[in-house]
Amino acid sequence: QLQLQESGPGLVKPSETLSLTCTVSGGSISSSSYYWGWIRQPPGKGLEWIGSIYYSGSTYYNPSLKSRVTISVDTSKNQFSLKLSSVTAADTAVYYCARHGGDCSSTSCYNWFDPWGQGTLVTVSS
Amino acid sequence: SSELTQDPAVSVALGQTVRITCQGDSLRSYYASWYQQKPGQAPVLVIYGKNNRPSGIPDRFSGSSSGNTASLTITGAQAEDEADYYCNSRDSSGNLHVVFGGGTKLTVL
Repeated sequence: QLQLQESGPGLVKPSETLSLTCTVSGGSISSSSYYWGWIRQPPGKGLEWIGSIYYSGSTYYNPSLKSRVTISVDTSKNQFSLKLSSVTAADTAVYYCARHGGDCSSTSCYNWFDPWGQGTLVTVSS
Repeated sequence: SSELTQDPAVSVALGQTVRITCQGDSLRSYYASWYQQKPGQAPVLVIYGKNNRPSGIPDRFSGSSSGNTASLTITGAQAEDEADYYCNSRDSSGNLHVVFGGGTKLTVL
């Protein structure tokens, strides 16, 4: 059974860089069928997609965060990572990693995230 | 702001049917996927594509789409279905960017 687990500091100072790693177990991150994504959720608010990466290193990011986000992959460790620079209090959130899939039927296309890691709360504060 | 719009809150009587909707221009081109999130837990995928349920999701959950609106229907809502529900799809830019709706809190009365 595929499982994902986020890890990293729970407290980051303003203006610094947030760094998180997602470790994938029970399957290979090098699967040709999926991307791997990061999603965040500020306390009491909704979900926001941050970006996704393919095992080859191909990425795409939320345009609103693109200037501050870097997502990378380490296939030898079955991990992918998130870096978010110049953080402010507005970046305080639970950060989730998830497998990102998609497909097309005869009529339309779709994408989905499944499974998700348990999430890790990152607080930006001095 | 989200390109997918959901009603903030919906309620349903125990055992009745409820429809949760998600509106957005991109839904004319893409199907929505739906997630259930209970307090303190990670979201769980319940519907993807035209109307597909992952393994382990009860068949009382179903999805549909018409025009710019996607719907998640729970037929015979149970107390354990009380949760936040989010839709997700691509945005309307054509760049494959991902968007989530703002979420709907479902209360089972």
